Amino acid sequence: DVKVTQSSRYLVKRTGEKVFLECVQDMDHENMFWYRQDPGLGLRLIYFSYDVKMKEKGDIPEGYSVSREKKERFSLILESASTNQTSMYLCASTSPAEGRAEAFFGQGTRLTVV
Amino acid sequence: AQSVAQPEDQVNVAEGNPLTVKCTYSVSGNPYLFWYVQYPNRGLQFLLKYITGDNLVKGSYGFEAEFNKSQTSFHLKKPSALVSDSALYFCAVRATDSWGKFQFGAGTQVVVTP
Repeated sequence: DVKVTQSSRYLVKRTGEKVFLECVQDMDHENMFWYRQDPGLGLRLIYFSYDVKMKEKGDIPEGYSVSREKKERFSLILESASTNQTSMYLCASTSPAEGRAEAFFGQGTRLTVV
Repeated sequence: AQSVAQPEDQVNVAEGNPLTVKCTYSVSGNPYLFWYVQYPNRGLQFLLKYITGDNLVKGSYGFEAEFNKSQTSFHLKKPSALVSDSALYFCAVRATDSWGKFQFGAGTQVVVTP
């Protein structure tokens, strides 16, 4: 079974803190993604990575950065957390190979910034 | 640019009745189309996908979806809904020429009453 694991299910952080969300996948997938999920807005892409040390901005990158030092690990960084970053964060991975195009998701991290 | 529309915020259905969740999409080129389900405070779980071939796709838990290219739709269906099908459903599209980026709809909450 493909497994995408996010390091925390729930996090509470203070405004201004630096926050790290970690994601690890065990399927040797090239592509990894970070989304945030808010009610009524669906999933919005923050950043994605298609290879080690390669990253691309998604639709809402402001206030976030990412790191991919190893193929299996993709980290999302909130440099200075703010209350408007309170959300559900979802990590996903996929292989770009034809015929196996679905994304596999982690269990999500519900982040509350107070 | 690709986009996905789920026109219904919520679908209510009685147990045993047919369930339909609507999705329309816009994408350049041939689309990869997906349905995911999310239970409370969990990640997204893959249900089914359309890549190519037969327009009727069968997936997990008795769900199926019909791809209609002329109407750019990919509606999710289940002949007989269960209370346990109550969840949040997401339609997603991935352009075949992208780096595996997915565009998600806003989600449709399905409520199945006994």
